[in-house]
Amino acid sequence: ETGVTQTPRHLVMGMTNKKSLKCEQHLGHNAMYWYKQSAKKPLELMFVYSLEERVENNSVPSRFSPECPNSSHLFLHLHTLQPEDSALYLCASSQEVNSGNTIYFGEGSWLTVV
Amino acid sequence: QKEVEQDPGPLSVPEGAIVSLNCTYSNSAFQYFMWYRQYSRKGPELLMYTYSSGNKEDGRFTAQVDKSSKYISLFIRDSQPSDSATYLCAMSFTGANSKLTFGKGITLSVRP
Repeated sequence: ETGVTQTPRHLVMGMTNKKSLKCEQHLGHNAMYWYKQSAKKPLELMFVYSLEERVENNSVPSRFSPECPNSSHLFLHLHTLQPEDSALYLCASSQEVNSGNTIYFGEGSWLTVV
Repeated sequence: QKEVEQDPGPLSVPEGAIVSLNCTYSNSAFQYFMWYRQYSRKGPELLMYTYSSGNKEDGRFTAQVDKSSKYISLFIRDSQPSDSATYLCAMSFTGANSKLTFGKGITLSVRP
C-alpha cells in the first residue's frame, strides 16, 4: 500500500456532472497538495493545504473546489468541467508545506470529461 | 526562458546501455534537486534527492548537480527494461513556501 491513496483511479464524467476525488495520506505529514498532469506539460500545482488550511491556490477555475477536513484527507470537488480538464490529477503530501522537502505522490485519478 | 528545461524525448536504448537524462534551469537560487520516476498510469515516485552541488549514487543510479552550469543529470548504468518509465526532474529553493518546479519529463524505453 502506498503512503498516499487516491480514489477513484479512473473517472468519466459529463460536463454537467458533479463528482469528487478523494485522497488519504498515511505518512503523518502536515501538508497536502493537488497537482494536474497533462500530456507534454510540467506538473501544475493547483492547491496547497497546511494543517487543513489552504495556503495556496494557483489561479484554478472555480469549477474545481478543494476540501481538507483534516490533515490526512483531501478532496477535490468537480462540477461543470470542460473537456480540456481531462487529465491525471495527483494528490501529494509532505512533512511541511513547500519547505523544499520531498513530496510523495499518490497513484493519481485519471479524469475524462465527455 | 522556462524555469526548468528537460529534453522532451522520447529516448530508446538497448538493455545494458548507460543512460544520461538532463535538465537545465535558469534560477541560480534553486538548492534542492530531485528526480522522480513515473511508470505508465502511476503517480511519480521519488528516485533521487540531492542538496546543492555534487554527486549522489544509489545502486545503478547517479544524480549529478552542477550549479555553476545550472545543469543536473541522472545517470542509469546497466539499464534494464524495468527502467522504462517517464523521468521528471524537480527543484526548489530553501525555506518556507518553496514549491517544487518540475520539468516536463522524458520517456525512456529500454529494449530487451
